[in-house]
Amino acid sequence: AQRVTQPEKLLSVFKGAPVELKCNYSYSGSPELFWYVQYSRQRLQLLLRHISRESIKGFTADLNKGETSFHLKKPFAQEEDSAMYYCALRDYGQNFVFGPGTRLSVLP
Amino acid sequence: DAGVTQSPTHLIKTRGQQVTLRCSPKSGHDTVSWYQQALGQGPQFIFQYYEEEERQRGNFPDRFSGHQFPNYSSELNVNALLLGDSALYLCASSMARTASYGYTFGSGTRLTVV
Repeated sequence: AQRVTQPEKLLSVFKGAPVELKCNYSYSGSPELFWYVQYSRQRLQLLLRHISRESIKGFTADLNKGETSFHLKKPFAQEEDSAMYYCALRDYGQNFVFGPGTRLSVLP
Repeated sequence: DAGVTQSPTHLIKTRGQQVTLRCSPKSGHDTVSWYQQALGQGPQFIFQYYEEEERQRGNFPDRFSGHQFPNYSSELNVNALLLGDSALYLCASSMARTASYGYTFGSGTRLTVV
């Protein structure tokens, strides 16, 4: 069965510190992995997709098929990065399986 | 472009009642998916509509049903409400042929069952 796990419910870091939000998945096949973000009082929005290999707002994520991971990283956290982050996998039916989310709090 | 719009934003219903939630997809999008997000959890897939038909369904009981109209808008109906149905219901739209770009989500309808 497809499953996405995010082991940390809450991650607190100081401004300027590196950030790594962990995501692991189980999926039989070639997965498509995504990161979605939800800022306070805003709707869920796409942050990045693994197939595009892009960097958005300084965040990057590399798909590691051996470790079945898709961790989200940023070298220097900013206060405006504080939000809820969801890792998601798209299944055969083109729908998303979301992880439980990690709340990132960037402290001044 | 207003993006995905959902109505109402908040709703309070009594156990056993029925509820209808509405979604208008982003302009140009033809596919609508519905998700349930319980407090403290990630969104869970309910079902997806394309060309006015339910194309895929998640692990939800038949009390959850839906509809898509010719203008691509959609409704989610829940019958015989249970306390456990209290959640944020999200609508997401996409274009079938470019789904790899991800979905656009609405702000959701907060349903409280008392």
